[in-house]
Amino acid sequence: AQSVTQPDIHITVSEGASLELRCNYSYGATPYLFWYVQSPGQGLQLLLKYFSGDTLVQGIKGFEAEFKRSQSSFNLRKPSVHWSDAAEYFCAVAISQGAQKLVFGQGTRLTINP
Amino acid sequence: NAGVTQTPKFQVLKTGQSMTLQCAQDMNHNSMYWYRQDPGMGLRLIYYSASEGTTDKGEVPNGYNVSRLNKREFSLRLESAAPSQTSVYFCASSEARGTGSSYEQYFGPGTRLTVT
Repeated sequence: AQSVTQPDIHITVSEGASLELRCNYSYGATPYLFWYVQSPGQGLQLLLKYFSGDTLVQGIKGFEAEFKRSQSSFNLRKPSVHWSDAAEYFCAVAISQGAQKLVFGQGTRLTINP
Repeated sequence: NAGVTQTPKFQVLKTGQSMTLQCAQDMNHNSMYWYRQDPGMGLRLIYYSASEGTTDKGEVPNGYNVSRLNKREFSLRLESAAPSQTSVYFCASSEARGTGSSYEQYFGPGTRLTVT
């Protein structure tokens, strides 16, 4: 069955430090992959997506992610975090089973230390 | 464009009461979805509607019913609320036309439901 694993439930980094959030997926075919961000009390906003082509994709707010097929990973990175990046981050893989759906990971909560 | 809207934003119910959560999208999307979000569980799909006139169960459908009223609107009904249904509920929509970009889902702001 398709699944997404985000191994880190909670990560704390200092403002200005670099960030990497991990995501591993299980899916037989070529995956469509997404990262969403959820600020406290808000809905989910798309950060970036991968469908094909260049394995390094750029998103909004200075985020990027790299698709590595050999490792079944799609890790999210940012070179220098800002206090406003504190949020929960969700990785998702798209599946097509009678309808197009997303399977989400459990989420990683990011805390920023001043 | 308002995108995806949900009403109400907050609701408190007593065990056994019923209510309907409303969702509407103005992007002419084909597919719509209802999720619930619980701490440490991510988002779990309750029901979805691949196209107008169709609905299907997701991962956690028990205790819920849905109606795809038209292409714009997709409602979620709790017939007899239970404390286990205390959660944040999100509605989403997607174009869903078979291409990669059409898998992208757009989310509403959520409804925070407490059942006492």
